[in-house]
Amino acid sequence: DQQVKQNSPSLSVQEGRISILNCDYTNSMFDYFLWYKKYPAEGPTFLISISSIKDKNEDGRFTVFLNKSAKHLSLHIVPSQPGDSAVYFCAADYGGSQGNLIFGKGTKLSVKP
Amino acid sequence: GAGVSQSPRYKVAKRGQDVALRCDPISGHVSLFWYQQALGQGPEFLTYFQNEAQLDKSGLPSDRFFAERPEGSVSTLKIQRTQQEDSAVYLCASSLVETNSEQYFGPGTRLTVT
Repeated sequence: DQQVKQNSPSLSVQEGRISILNCDYTNSMFDYFLWYKKYPAEGPTFLISISSIKDKNEDGRFTVFLNKSAKHLSLHIVPSQPGDSAVYFCAADYGGSQGNLIFGKGTKLSVKP
Repeated sequence: GAGVSQSPRYKVAKRGQDVALRCDPISGHVSLFWYQQALGQGPEFLTYFQNEAQLDKSGLPSDRFFAERPEGSVSTLKIQRTQQEDSAVYLCASSLVETNSEQYFGPGTRLTVT
């Protein structure tokens, strides 16, 4: 039973347009959420995070939105660039004494020139 | 500065062999995590260390898996009597504190059991 779900395995976007990657979760105990980007043959790279006390966090071209009532978060990339093409993983943290992250299966983003 | 490093990057083992995978975390990072990533899946938690103490090993799939971090820095994940289902990428991550903090991942070790 997946606690973090990324229902779109892939997404294709034109360069310069907005990319929106979605993530749903089932466990209301999660209180910290992260997005990671992964290129082939490399480990995941931290992109942006958001605490459950916020509903938005922005860092340059990347913005994460959190809707706690819907148990949904999204990552917006504006404008999208070809170098953004990668697999994006959504992850959640229980907080407290547990530190391990629960990951979704990932969404492969392709940004076409 | 140096990131998380892992060795070897690739390992091929015959079924039944023992393997040892090494992780060098970022200097000063208290927490160290091991994850297993199967093809087409997200990373799945295996075990967690805070300094040298193994605080959570609930994700280890069987007693053939063993991890240690004896001096609170370098960690080794050992798999005994490898099976084909152990084939995966094994990722190590470290973080400055144990929770609500970004984890920094190494490049992973791709293990193939033949």
